Amino acid sequence: AQSVTQLDSHVSVSEGTPVLLRCNYSSSYSPSLFWYVQHPNKGLQLLLKYTSAATLVKGINGFEAEFKKSETSFHLTKPSAHMSDAAEYFCVVSDRGAGGTSYGKLTFGQGTILTVHP
Amino acid sequence: NAGVTQTPKFRVLKTGQSMTLLCAQDMNHEYMYWYRQDPGMGLRLIHYSVGEGTTAKGEVPDGYNVSRLKKQNFLLGLESAAPSQTSVYFCASSHIGGAFFGQGTRLTVV
Repeated sequence: AQSVTQLDSHVSVSEGTPVLLRCNYSSSYSPSLFWYVQHPNKGLQLLLKYTSAATLVKGINGFEAEFKKSETSFHLTKPSAHMSDAAEYFCVVSDRGAGGTSYGKLTFGQGTILTVHP
Repeated sequence: NAGVTQTPKFRVLKTGQSMTLLCAQDMNHEYMYWYRQDPGMGLRLIHYSVGEGTTAKGEVPDGYNVSRLKKQNFLLGLESAAPSQTSVYFCASSHIGGAFFGQGTRLTVV
């Protein structure tokens, strides 16, 4: 079984300050991990993904995340927040199956709403 | 390059009515999913499919049925709509690189 816990339901930052959105996961096998962003009344956009290559993953719009197996974490960071970053962010895990070749179903965290103040 | 397309985008149903939501993808993905999104609850998996002709239950399957007769299409049916099914529904398809989502269907059951 797999699960995802996003540790903060709301995060508020000032424009130009760093962003940290926290995610812990549980997975039976080697997981794939993703961060998605959803702007108000919009669909979901893939920010970045980890699929067992480099543990530090760079995504779009200056976001990055680090996969830490020992801590079962995949926190999302950005050095300097922009007003356009205000949105809801979802951490997602997918088991890759015992053989490592199959692609499992996605499990979403509850979401973190990021507010950016001028 | 349409990606994942959901129809309709909006719908209002009366309690007890039925409807079908259509999801179509043109990326030749094996996996397809239906999620519902409710405030404060993230996205919850209703049903999913690992290939043409196969379906499986997710976290919240009650009150919904699905079919995957063609690889590119994944249909979600509500046989007898209830107000508790008021939600935003997202379809997705996926491969190893991630999942791609449709724009969502906002369904209101009155």
